[in-house]
Amino acid sequence: GEDVEQSLFLSVREGDSSVINCTYTDSSSTYLYWYKQEPGAGLQLLTYIFSNMDMKQDQRLTVLLNKKDKHLSLRIADTQTGDSAIYFCAETPPGGSYIPTFGRGTSLIVHP
Amino acid sequence: DSGVTQTPKHLITATGQRVTLRCSPRSGDLSVYWYQQSLDQGLQFLIQYYNGEERAKGNILERFSAQQFPDLHSELNLSSLELGDSALYFCASSGGDRELFFGEGSRLTVL
Repeated sequence: GEDVEQSLFLSVREGDSSVINCTYTDSSSTYLYWYKQEPGAGLQLLTYIFSNMDMKQDQRLTVLLNKKDKHLSLRIADTQTGDSAIYFCAETPPGGSYIPTFGRGTSLIVHP
Repeated sequence: DSGVTQTPKHLITATGQRVTLRCSPRSGDLSVYWYQQSLDQGLQFLIQYYNGEERAKGNILERFSAQQFPDLHSELNLSSLELGDSALYFCASSGGDRELFFGEGSRLTVL
């Protein structure tokens, strides 16, 4: 079955790097995503990676995928207070279904 | 602004009652998804509609139902409400490129 697991909380100091980790069970997942949820808002796609890639970089964000260990991580460089939010890892299976299975989300708290 | 509109934003009702949540997808998006977010269950997929037809079903209770209308807006009907149904209900839409656009959610409190 499908399952996505994340740690629930992460606290970092402003200016440091944040690394949010995720593990998933479906080895056939084709796309893996990171969504961000700010207080009082819906989820917003941050970035995604296709399963044949190991790494993707987008400005301050770096996504690493270890397909062998079914491990996905999101690194945020130079973390700012505005990065405080809940970060969700998600996966989608192969085929035509675009329905992502989400983890429970990691609350990132950035303190001065 | 994701372009997805959900109403109402907040709803308080009593056990046993029935409520309807409404969602207007982004302009041009044919797919609508409903998710339930609660503290103990996380974000759970309920149901998906595509161009008026049910496409996929997730962990949706029999007391819940949904539909998508010809103008593509969707409604989620929750009946015989229980305390455990208190949650944030999200609607999302997509145009088929794997990115989901979420509304701000409807927070349901059942007393």
